[in-house]
Amino acid sequence: DAGVTQSPTHLIKTRGQHVTLRCSPISGHKSVSWYQQVLGQGPQFIFQYYEKEERGRGNFPDRFSARQFPNYSSELNVNALLLGDSALYLCASSPTGYNTEAFFGQGTRLTVV
Amino acid sequence: GENVEQHPSTLSVQEGDSAVIKCTYSDSASNYFPWYKQELGKRPQLIIDIRSNVGEKKDQRIAVTLNKTAKHFSLHITETQPEDSAVYFCAASDDMNRDDKIIFGKGTRLHILP
Repeated sequence: DAGVTQSPTHLIKTRGQHVTLRCSPISGHKSVSWYQQVLGQGPQFIFQYYEKEERGRGNFPDRFSARQFPNYSSELNVNALLLGDSALYLCASSPTGYNTEAFFGQGTRLTVV
Repeated sequence: GENVEQHPSTLSVQEGDSAVIKCTYSDSASNYFPWYKQELGKRPQLIIDIRSNVGEKKDQRIAVTLNKTAKHFSLHITETQPEDSAVYFCAASDDMNRDDKIIFGKGTRLHILP
């Protein structure tokens, strides 16, 4: 049984560009959450989606957006990249619409230069 | 909003000794408290969790205690082994809130000394 998968694993972008990160949850899980982890810090909540509906949004600017597809996979989009967006972006899936027993993917390491 | 404080930021213990990591939270509505272990370059992995209706939970060498009145919870690792070296994150969540999220502490880097 596959775990949470994210793509790509690494990405280098230039300031001002746009990026799309992808996540496939564990089979049977309907909830996907996105987190940003800056080096040396704990993950910070960005978004949660359940049954294609946004359930929660963290304290991130409107440059960050996300969506969930009918197959429960999800995309995180970041526009107008800043140097400070460099981080590990983690996707977590859980079986229900509440953030319990969240299982993380391996993350996408985004570097903005 | 919820805030989770975690101490210490770094902890070194001799192999075989016990390690204790402590966390406090601010939102009394939080009722779910997971702990994650993150090895270098790897994903955070859930190692144990506790809900507010339970004061203590144990899984082999790992135990977690919760004091709802004081709003603090702790992770205890006994008989530490080299493979316990990692960064540990405590977290808190209100799992009955529609606009829910997991709030993480800043992490504790645990070093197991040979």
